[in-house]
Amino acid sequence: QSALTQPPSASGSPGQSVTISCTGTSSDVGGYNYVSWYQQHPGKAPKLMIYEVSKRPSGVPDRFSGSKSGNTASLTVSGLQAEDEADYYCTSYAGSNNFVFGTGTKVTVL
Amino acid sequence: EVQLVESGGGLVQPGRSLRLSCAASGFTFDDFAMNWVRQAPGKGLVWVSGITWNSGSIGYADSVKGRFTISRDNAKNSLYLQMNSLRAEDTALYYCARSHDYSLHGAHFDYWGQGTLVSVSS
Repeated sequence: QSALTQPPSASGSPGQSVTISCTGTSSDVGGYNYVSWYQQHPGKAPKLMIYEVSKRPSGVPDRFSGSKSGNTASLTVSGLQAEDEADYYCTSYAGSNNFVFGTGTKVTVL
Repeated sequence: EVQLVESGGGLVQPGRSLRLSCAASGFTFDDFAMNWVRQAPGKGLVWVSGITWNSGSIGYADSVKGRFTISRDNAKNSLYLQMNSLRAEDTALYYCARSHDYSLHGAHFDYWGQGTLVSVSS
């Protein structure tokens, strides 16, 4: 159950796009279309942003999108806004009622 | 409104035990699987354990297997985490998180509590 690998940081100016990668193995990310993404502001609980690779829960702006290729999933935030500055975590189902989170990425809006 | 309220955290010595609780409201508790996720100070999220709607299937992270036990009482709309043989590395904020349906298979976590802090230190 090794953590999924994410870049420690990513940044962009308002209005630009930023993409965060999430790399696992064939036993987790590559083996299931059950990758989800969470946004966490400082001192707050995580919030679901994307589920099942690319689906958005009600209320999440369509500026947030997800994709997957092989063992790597990605979250793209388009049209960056100040409120998008937060930590982002991916997670994947890993079989046998187990889950693994990513290492987390801090997104900075310049 | 869905609400998840954790309790039971505190300061405990290494090797001792602690029991966390999560009180759920605003939804039909026994329709959903539930999970515990922890976050050490300044660190990332780590899934700890999950339990299906009827306690029929349970999963644990390798780091807590054999020491922690997850359970639920659907009559009391409550989720629990019994933590034994606690170690310094178990120090974290423990979140209760709802799965999107009754199963753990392929779940995503759609509602989260605010967490309860566990500190393991002598």
